[in-house]
Amino acid sequence: EIVLTQSPGTLSLSPGERATLSCRASQSVSSSYLAWYQQKPGQAPRLLIYGASSRATGIPDRFSGSGSGTDFTLTISRLEPEDFAVYYCQQYGSSPRTFGPGTKVDIK
Amino acid sequence: QVQLVQSGAEVKKPGASVKVSCKASGYTFTSYDINWVRQATGQGLEWMGWMNPNSGNTGYAQKFQGRVTMTRNTSISTAYMELSSLRSEDTAVYYCANSVPAANHWFDPWGQGTLVTVSS
Repeated sequence: EIVLTQSPGTLSLSPGERATLSCRASQSVSSSYLAWYQQKPGQAPRLLIYGASSRATGIPDRFSGSGSGTDFTLTISRLEPEDFAVYYCQQYGSSPRTFGPGTKVDIK
Repeated sequence: QVQLVQSGAEVKKPGASVKVSCKASGYTFTSYDINWVRQATGQGLEWMGWMNPNSGNTGYAQKFQGRVTMTRNTSISTAYMELSSLRSEDTAVYYCANSVPAANHWFDPWGQGTLVTVSS
């Protein structure tokens, strides 16, 4: 089973700042089968990024993903008020599908 | 638009079973797998397994083998997840989510979630 570790656990930033979230896998994620999801309180997760770097439909271009192998990054170039949420990475290249523990981005 | 609508909240006693439904609309039900993911309060996401609505084939995470059953009724475009021998640790929000069959694919979209509370 591929274990995903996310850092930091919490990121306290102000609107307009840049957010950099990390996701590290215990073994290589094949073909960059890595996704990022955003979850707000009381809501289901929403797909942001798939294939490590492809934005899902309707996702603003301030969200970008990068990385390969075992190290992946989600960057939010300029935080908008609606971006304060919890972000999860997920690998879907092997079974079982696994998620990271999440990074909470909150308002400083 | 593609939508997954889940059944309402449930309260169950320890040892009982729960069956959660996930009704699909906006696409051909048999064209996409249904995955089930759960989230305990304040915790992360845990994948439980998948089902192919066309064939009925399933794949379960080892943790839930023997306790979970995923089924479907294609006539009403609805998938089901039944979890048995419930214990307090199963208290969580349960989500269904689409993925492309027989492929390494992300989950999108997700249902709104169903809260299952296990309490004596």
